[in-house]
Amino acid sequence: GAGVSQSPSNKVTEKGKDVELRCDPISGHTALYWYRQSLGQGLEFLIYFQGNSAPDKSGLPSDRFSAERTGGSVSTLTIQRTQQEDSAVYLCASSLNSPQNTGELFFGEGSRLTVL
Amino acid sequence: EDKVVQSPLSLVVHEGDTVTLNCSYEVTNFRSLLWYKQEKKAPTFLFMLTSSGIEKKSGRLSSILDKKELFSILNITATQTGDSAVYLCADYSGAGSYQLTFGKGTKLSVIP
Repeated sequence: GAGVSQSPSNKVTEKGKDVELRCDPISGHTALYWYRQSLGQGLEFLIYFQGNSAPDKSGLPSDRFSAERTGGSVSTLTIQRTQQEDSAVYLCASSLNSPQNTGELFFGEGSRLTVL
Repeated sequence: EDKVVQSPLSLVVHEGDTVTLNCSYEVTNFRSLLWYKQEKKAPTFLFMLTSSGIEKKSGRLSSILDKKELFSILNITATQTGDSAVYLCADYSGAGSYQLTFGKGTKLSVIP
């Protein structure tokens, strides 16, 4: 597709269960970001992938959160043993990133996670 | 401590009013300042600012950056109900790993 695609768009789960959120970035974009947006809050950086480099995981809130990016394209964000405070919209974004490029991101529609 | 601070957090105006939204940021390894509009889900890009004093303009929206005072403003003239959204400011910076750090946003409500 032409834009960033995320799935599922909505996920309701029970506390303690694991969830996987998927992001399919724009073809050719080497940079991929995950952000989290809680109700009424700004976007909180989680993790950043750039090409084949080691990801920047500095924003992951706990070791229950992990992400991978296979083949430099699709990314999966996994949250293990979900807690109620994990409830948020998880936004994925991609960009054509190079040192000369200063950062326009293209966002997906997000995955809304609700932990009961 | 927040790196990108936006003000006001919310604003209610009438159609036709002019609004100014504010964003201050930190300077560490600064590369650019970006503005996004978020209506429901995906933020959409408005402006990217890298140089001080040069106004970017798109229709009724304009933005300018002050690198000395470390802030940017977003102006919207002759507001319309369709301008109602959350406006997000982001600082693009980093040492080796560039990332956008977003402010909490300004929620703008334009009433008829």
